[in-house]
Amino acid sequence: EVQLVESGGGLVRPGGSLRISCAASGFTFTSYIINWVRQAPGKGLEWVSSISSGSRSIYYADSVKGRFTVSRDNTENSVFLQMSSLRAEDTAVYYCARDLGGVTEPFAFDHWGQGTLVTVSS
Amino acid sequence: SYVLTQPPSVSVAPGKTARLTCGGNNIGSKSVHWSQQKPGQAPILIIYYNGDRPSGIPVRFSGSNSGNTATLTISRVEAGDEADYYCQVWDSSSDHVVFGGGTKLTVL
Repeated sequence: EVQLVESGGGLVRPGGSLRISCAASGFTFTSYIINWVRQAPGKGLEWVSSISSGSRSIYYADSVKGRFTVSRDNTENSVFLQMSSLRAEDTAVYYCARDLGGVTEPFAFDHWGQGTLVTVSS
Repeated sequence: SYVLTQPPSVSVAPGKTARLTCGGNNIGSKSVHWSQQKPGQAPILIIYYNGDRPSGIPVRFSGSNSGNTATLTISRVEAGDEADYYCQVWDSSSDHVVFGGGTKLTVL
């Protein structure tokens, strides 16, 4: 069974940093792009970042570029999102999602984790 | 940047057909995917590549894409279909994934 489990969310002050993780199991991790999507309270889905299987292709939304860094450890079947210079508007549930079949570019997101809440507040 | 436009809400009676639209400039040239999200839950993929269904998704869900509009059609709507629905594309011009704003489907 495909499973994605996010962790590391919490309360952080504006300007602070946080690293969240996504642990994957139940599939050949090294064959898939992994994506991060966030959802602010009461709002819609917003794509954040995507990383290809070998980390050669990495993409970021304009709203986080230069502040967030995505990485993966294929030996640990994990993906990470390092977030810095956090702002109130980064408050959201952060989901990781497996890509259905993209090789170098994201395609469709066929499995999602349950999300981890990041709250940026003083 | 590429924009996807969805109506904020659609209402339909049980047993009827719901058509949810997703508008974008020449969206017919892109692959459109649809996700369903119920309150308090993570999204699930219901349509990919315009009209394909992942395993386990009922045939009542179908999709089409042409011109400037993609459409998710839900036939014989059930109370359990009440949810938010999001369309999604990959914009190769900007190297960005784009989500529509979402449509809340209400079953009357």
